[in-house]
Amino acid sequence: SQQGEEDPQALSIQEGENATMNCSYKTSINNLQWYRQNSGRGLVHLILIRSNEREKHSGRLRVTLDTSKKSSSLLITASRAADTASYFCATDDQTGANNLFFGTGTRLTVIP
Amino acid sequence: KAGVTQTPRYLIKTRGQQVTLSCSPISGHRSVSWYQQTPGQGLQFLFEYFSETQRNKGNFPGRFSGRQFSNSRSEMNVSTLELGDSALYLCASGMEDTQYFGPGTRLTVL
Repeated sequence: SQQGEEDPQALSIQEGENATMNCSYKTSINNLQWYRQNSGRGLVHLILIRSNEREKHSGRLRVTLDTSKKSSSLLITASRAADTASYFCATDDQTGANNLFFGTGTRLTVIP
Repeated sequence: KAGVTQTPRYLIKTRGQQVTLSCSPISGHRSVSWYQQTPGQGLQFLFEYFSETQRNKGNFPGRFSGRQFSNSRSEMNVSTLELGDSALYLCASGMEDTQYFGPGTRLTVL
């Protein structure tokens, strides 16, 4: 079964607005990653945040992590039509192995 | 550096057949992981190979197998295909904690 759940399942916004997606997970982690997927294609790595970090920025992306609540959020600022995609959070299982547990994903649509 | 490549990109098979998918990792990456993505189950981990050894395995039947070669290229094999094996199969190569995914192989089982 999947480690994480994402909320909302789908989000539709106007270009220029901010988009926030949330991810909750079940067990302790070493790090959490966010990926983007366009229309059933490969996953593109966006950002990794470690369990001892609370916030991380990369360009228009801001990720927060609250390990006490086992949750993370991804904020995309000033959205563009090209940001339309599905977004997944993925966590490890603290064993050091490279198997990721993915959330259910948020389908973001940015309307031009 | 070139990204992760997967071949073929699309594949159509019939029930009972077997299939082999190939993945070439990013140069220098020794870890290769495989994932299955379906609309119903989402993204699920199949197995990971590191230095030609299976290091970790997900909860899939024995019909799903894989291997890794000395150049880190990996193959996965699915025998006795079932309709439910229709999925996007994604390969990822890893460096430290980050995994980089290939474009996937879309397998359709008729």
